[in-house]
Amino acid sequence: GEDVEQSLFLSVREGDSSVINCTYTDSSSTYLYWYKQEPGAGLQLLTYIFSNMDMKQDQRLTVLLNKKDKHLSLRIADTQTGDSAIYFCAESIASGGSYIPTFGRGTSLIVHP
Amino acid sequence: NAGVTQTPKFQVLKTGQSMTLQCAQDMNHNSMYWYRQDPGMGLRLIYYSASEGTTDKGEVPNGYNVSRLNKREFSLRLESAAPSQTSVYFCASNGGAPGELFFGEGSRLTVL
Repeated sequence: GEDVEQSLFLSVREGDSSVINCTYTDSSSTYLYWYKQEPGAGLQLLTYIFSNMDMKQDQRLTVLLNKKDKHLSLRIADTQTGDSAIYFCAESIASGGSYIPTFGRGTSLIVHP
Repeated sequence: NAGVTQTPKFQVLKTGQSMTLQCAQDMNHNSMYWYRQDPGMGLRLIYYSASEGTTDKGEVPNGYNVSRLNKREFSLRLESAAPSQTSVYFCASNGGAPGELFFGEGSRLTVL
Protein backbone atom coordinates (compact mmCIF):
# COMPACT_ATOMS: atom_id res chain seq x y z
CA GLY A 1 0.00 0.00 0.00
CA GLU A 2 2.90 2.48 -0.03
CA ASP A 3 2.18 3.61 -3.58
CA VAL A 4 -1.48 4.32 -3.03
CA GLU A 5 -2.62 6.58 -0.22
CA GLN A 6 -6.06 7.32 1.14
CA SER A 7 -7.47 8.69 4.35
CA LEU A 8 -8.54 6.06 6.87
CA PHE A 9 -11.99 7.29 7.92
CA LEU A 10 -14.94 9.24 6.58
CA SER A 11 -18.20 9.89 8.40
CA VAL A 12 -21.29 11.23 6.62
CA ARG A 13 -24.97 11.67 7.28
CA GLU A 14 -27.47 9.51 5.41
CA GLY A 15 -28.62 11.24 2.24
CA ASP A 16 -25.48 13.38 1.90
CA SER A 17 -22.80 12.82 -0.72
CA SER A 18 -19.58 11.04 0.23
CA VAL A 19 -16.27 11.78 -1.43
CA ILE A 20 -13.38 9.39 -0.88
CA ASN A 21 -9.99 10.53 -2.11
CA CYS A 22 -6.89 8.65 -3.18
CA THR A 23 -3.45 9.55 -4.49
CA TYR A 24 -1.14 7.23 -6.35
CA THR A 25 2.46 7.50 -7.41
CA ASP A 26 2.98 5.38 -10.51
CA SER A 27 2.40 7.54 -13.56
CA SER A 28 2.40 4.45 -15.77
CA SER A 29 -0.73 3.11 -14.09
CA THR A 30 -3.13 2.11 -16.78
CA TYR A 31 -6.17 1.26 -14.69
CA LEU A 32 -7.44 2.63 -11.41
CA TYR A 33 -10.09 0.94 -9.33
CA TRP A 34 -12.43 1.27 -6.42
CA TYR A 35 -13.21 -1.85 -4.43
CA LYS A 36 -15.71 -2.18 -1.57
CA GLN A 37 -15.35 -4.50 1.44
CA GLU A 38 -18.32 -5.17 3.68
CA PRO A 39 -17.75 -6.58 7.19
CA GLY A 40 -16.55 -10.18 7.18
CA ALA A 41 -16.40 -10.37 3.40
CA GLY A 42 -13.87 -10.18 0.61
CA LEU A 43 -13.43 -7.19 -1.66
CA GLN A 44 -15.80 -6.51 -4.54
CA LEU A 45 -14.96 -4.39 -7.55
CA LEU A 46 -17.19 -1.30 -7.59
CA THR A 47 -15.89 0.49 -10.63
CA TYR A 48 -12.73 1.23 -12.55
CA ILE A 49 -11.43 3.91 -14.88
CA PHE A 50 -8.90 3.83 -17.68
CA SER A 51 -6.02 6.23 -17.26
CA ASN A 52 -7.00 8.11 -20.44
CA MET A 53 -10.38 9.07 -18.98
CA ASP A 54 -11.20 11.98 -16.68
CA MET A 55 -14.54 10.86 -15.35
CA LYS A 56 -16.80 7.85 -15.18
CA GLN A 57 -20.33 7.76 -13.86
CA ASP A 58 -22.28 4.69 -12.87
CA GLN A 59 -25.64 5.34 -11.18
CA ARG A 60 -24.82 6.88 -7.77
CA LEU A 61 -21.08 6.53 -8.27
CA THR A 62 -18.85 9.12 -9.94
CA VAL A 63 -15.14 8.57 -10.38
CA LEU A 64 -12.89 11.53 -11.12
CA LEU A 65 -9.29 11.16 -12.26
CA ASN A 66 -6.72 13.93 -12.28
CA LYS A 67 -3.67 12.42 -13.95
CA LYS A 68 -1.54 15.51 -13.51
CA ASP A 69 -1.92 15.38 -9.73
CA LYS A 70 -2.25 11.55 -9.64
CA HIS A 71 -5.49 11.96 -7.74
CA LEU A 72 -8.53 9.70 -7.88
CA SER A 73 -11.83 10.26 -6.12
CA LEU A 74 -15.05 8.33 -5.63
CA ARG A 75 -18.25 10.24 -5.05
CA ILE A 76 -21.29 8.40 -3.75
CA ALA A 77 -24.50 10.39 -4.17
CA ASP A 78 -27.36 10.04 -1.68
CA THR A 79 -25.29 7.89 0.67
CA GLN A 80 -27.23 5.14 2.43
CA THR A 81 -26.47 3.13 5.57
CA GLY A 82 -25.88 0.15 3.30
CA ASP A 83 -22.92 2.03 1.83
CA SER A 84 -21.07 1.71 5.14
CA ALA A 85 -17.98 -0.33 4.30
CA ILE A 86 -14.27 -0.04 3.64
CA TYR A 87 -13.42 1.39 0.22
CA PHE A 88 -10.10 0.56 -1.37
CA CYS A 89 -8.41 2.51 -4.11
CA ALA A 90 -6.10 0.46 -6.34
CA GLU A 91 -3.84 1.03 -9.32
CA SER A 92 -2.38 -1.47 -11.72
CA ILE A 93 0.24 -1.60 -14.39
CA ALA A 94 0.93 -4.41 -16.81
CA SER A 95 3.49 -6.97 -15.62
CA GLY A 96 4.30 -9.79 -18.00
CA GLY A 97 0.82 -9.79 -19.42
CA SER A 98 -0.89 -9.55 -16.04
CA TYR A 99 -2.39 -6.51 -14.37
CA ILE A 100 -1.70 -6.78 -10.67
CA PRO A 101 -3.51 -4.24 -8.52
CA THR A 102 -1.71 -2.43 -5.72
CA PHE A 103 -4.18 -1.46 -3.02
CA GLY A 104 -4.33 1.47 -0.66
CA ARG A 105 -5.00 0.99 3.05
CA GLY A 106 -8.73 1.52 2.67
CA THR A 107 -11.13 4.24 3.83
CA SER A 108 -13.79 3.23 6.35
CA LEU A 109 -17.02 4.98 5.42
CA ILE A 110 -19.46 5.36 8.29
CA VAL A 111 -22.97 6.48 7.41
CA HIS A 112 -25.13 7.64 10.30
CA PRO A 113 -28.83 8.48 10.28
CA ASN B 1 -22.50 -19.80 -8.14
CA ALA B 2 -19.56 -20.40 -5.82
CA GLY B 3 -16.90 -18.10 -7.33
CA VAL B 4 -13.78 -18.24 -5.13
CA THR B 5 -13.86 -20.63 -2.18
CA GLN B 6 -11.31 -20.58 0.64
CA THR B 7 -10.82 -23.10 3.42
CA PRO B 8 -10.55 -23.00 6.34
CA LYS B 9 -12.36 -19.80 7.34
CA PHE B 10 -10.73 -19.74 10.78
CA GLN B 11 -7.58 -21.36 12.14
CA VAL B 12 -5.52 -21.05 15.31
CA LEU B 13 -1.93 -22.27 15.23
CA LYS B 14 0.95 -22.42 17.65
CA THR B 15 4.27 -20.89 16.70
CA GLY B 16 6.23 -23.34 14.55
CA GLN B 17 3.25 -25.32 13.30
CA SER B 18 2.57 -25.65 9.59
CA MET B 19 -0.64 -25.40 7.65
CA THR B 20 -2.01 -24.94 4.15
CA LEU B 21 -4.75 -22.55 3.09
CA GLN B 22 -6.76 -23.87 0.19
CA CYS B 23 -8.34 -21.83 -2.57
CA ALA B 24 -10.44 -22.93 -5.53
CA GLN B 25 -12.26 -20.96 -8.23
CA ASP B 26 -14.90 -22.22 -10.62
CA MET B 27 -14.79 -19.36 -13.14
CA ASN B 28 -12.09 -20.83 -15.39
CA HIS B 29 -9.79 -17.91 -14.56
CA ASN B 30 -6.13 -18.00 -15.50
CA SER B 31 -4.69 -15.77 -12.77
CA MET B 32 -4.89 -16.34 -9.03
CA TYR B 33 -3.52 -14.37 -6.09
CA TRP B 34 -2.94 -14.54 -2.36
CA TYR B 35 -3.15 -11.35 -0.29
CA ARG B 36 -2.93 -10.69 3.43
CA GLN B 37 -4.90 -7.97 5.14
CA ASP B 38 -3.72 -6.40 8.37
CA PRO B 39 -5.36 -3.52 10.27
CA GLY B 40 -4.28 -0.19 8.86
CA MET B 41 -2.10 -1.89 6.22
CA GLY B 42 -4.56 -2.61 3.46
CA LEU B 43 -3.96 -5.61 1.25
CA ARG B 44 -0.46 -6.80 0.48
CA LEU B 45 0.29 -9.31 -2.25
CA ILE B 46 2.05 -12.48 -1.08
CA TYR B 47 2.23 -14.54 -4.27
CA TYR B 48 0.40 -14.72 -7.54
CA SER B 49 0.05 -17.15 -10.40
CA ALA B 50 -0.50 -15.62 -13.82
CA SER B 51 -1.39 -18.98 -15.33
CA GLU B 52 -1.36 -22.68 -14.52
CA GLY B 53 2.20 -23.80 -13.91
CA THR B 54 3.63 -20.39 -13.00
CA THR B 55 3.99 -18.60 -9.69
CA ASP B 56 5.68 -15.33 -8.75
CA LYS B 57 6.53 -13.50 -5.57
CA GLY B 58 4.59 -10.46 -4.52
CA GLU B 59 5.37 -7.78 -1.97
CA VAL B 60 5.59 -9.99 1.16
CA PRO B 61 6.52 -13.59 0.20
CA ASN B 62 8.86 -14.46 3.08
CA GLY B 63 7.60 -17.33 5.22
CA TYR B 64 5.16 -18.59 2.59
CA ASN B 65 5.10 -21.07 -0.27
CA VAL B 66 2.46 -21.58 -2.92
CA SER B 67 1.35 -24.29 -5.30
CA ARG B 68 -0.77 -23.85 -8.41
CA LEU B 69 -2.11 -27.38 -8.38
CA ASN B 70 -4.21 -26.95 -11.51
CA LYS B 71 -6.17 -24.16 -13.15
CA ARG B 72 -8.79 -24.19 -10.38
CA GLU B 73 -6.67 -24.42 -7.25
CA PHE B 74 -3.98 -22.24 -5.68
CA SER B 75 -2.78 -23.11 -2.18
CA LEU B 76 -0.74 -21.11 0.33
CA ARG B 77 1.50 -22.92 2.81
CA LEU B 78 3.03 -21.68 6.03
CA GLU B 79 5.89 -24.05 6.86
CA SER B 80 6.67 -22.68 10.33
CA ALA B 81 4.05 -20.23 11.49
CA ALA B 82 5.08 -17.08 13.36
CA PRO B 83 2.92 -14.60 15.32
CA SER B 84 3.69 -11.99 12.62
CA GLN B 85 1.66 -14.14 10.23
CA THR B 86 -1.51 -13.55 12.21
CA SER B 87 -3.73 -11.97 9.58
CA VAL B 88 -6.72 -12.37 7.32
CA TYR B 89 -5.74 -14.08 4.08
CA PHE B 90 -7.62 -13.52 0.84
CA CYS B 91 -7.46 -15.53 -2.32
CA ALA B 92 -8.53 -13.87 -5.56
CA SER B 93 -8.77 -14.73 -9.24
CA ASN B 94 -8.84 -12.81 -12.49
CA GLY B 95 -10.25 -13.90 -15.82
CA GLY B 96 -8.56 -11.39 -18.07
CA ALA B 97 -10.32 -8.08 -17.48
CA PRO B 98 -7.38 -5.95 -16.28
CA GLY B 99 -7.30 -5.78 -12.51
CA GLU B 100 -10.82 -7.08 -12.00
CA LEU B 101 -10.24 -9.46 -9.12
CA PHE B 102 -12.84 -11.75 -7.62
CA PHE B 103 -12.17 -12.40 -3.94
CA GLY B 104 -12.95 -15.22 -1.58
CA GLU B 105 -14.43 -14.51 1.84
CA GLY B 106 -11.09 -14.74 3.61
CA SER B 107 -9.34 -17.03 6.07
CA ARG B 108 -8.66 -15.63 9.51
CA LEU B 109 -5.42 -17.06 10.92
CA THR B 110 -4.16 -16.55 14.47
CA VAL B 111 -0.67 -17.70 15.45
CA LEU B 112 -0.06 -17.89 19.20
